[in-house]
Amino acid sequence: GDSVTQMEGPVTLSEEAFLTINCTYTATGYPSLFWYVQYPGEGLQLLLKATKADDKGSNKGFEATYRKETTSFHLEKGSVQVSDSAVYFCALSGASGANSKLTFGKGITLSVRP
Amino acid sequence: GAVVSQHPSRVICKSGTSVKIECRSLDFQATTMFWYRQFPKQSLMLMATSNEGSKATYEQGVEKDKFLINHASLTLSTLTVTSAHPEDSSFYICSAPRPSGPTDTQYFGPGTRLTVL
Repeated sequence: GDSVTQMEGPVTLSEEAFLTINCTYTATGYPSLFWYVQYPGEGLQLLLKATKADDKGSNKGFEATYRKETTSFHLEKGSVQVSDSAVYFCALSGASGANSKLTFGKGITLSVRP
Repeated sequence: GAVVSQHPSRVICKSGTSVKIECRSLDFQATTMFWYRQFPKQSLMLMATSNEGSKATYEQGVEKDKFLINHASLTLSTLTVTSAHPEDSSFYICSAPRPSGPTDTQYFGPGTRLTVL
């Protein structure tokens, strides 16, 4: 079945450091890929998404490119801020449409220190 | 602001009691809602798909008689953990797709922390 693998955490960075969080997936067909973020005490929020190969999702300075050849969707940000401290989940949806199920990775906690 | 709410945000109960968790879509109608549980340092695991006006669809390994789901209206789904035991202690999260929004986008509630003593 579908699965998502994220790098082990937690990750601690200094403010303005470069961030990469790895995510690889296994799925049949052509899934949509997502990054969700969970800030302390809040629900998951969609950060960015990509629905087909070579698409780049971007939001709030974060980017991720859908790489079908490497089955990856790594999250990057050039300069992190303290406010980026949160838990980040990579996820995939195996079918099109908003009612399709999401498969999540384990999540990784990012802490950014001033 | 939040588009999906959950109530309660946390609950502590004794073993053997039943606990009901509500999930509401605040400004849109949701014919489908999803229920997840999340263990510490683990991913969200889909438990079931709640369908308005029909039976919920449960994922493999999830006991439907243990986790009762009722989608009574287009804005409300409830999850009842029946005869709860300590191993049911977890973080329960619901989500709902917003029909008028982009496809593939689901909105998540803030979660309910259940602790069974």
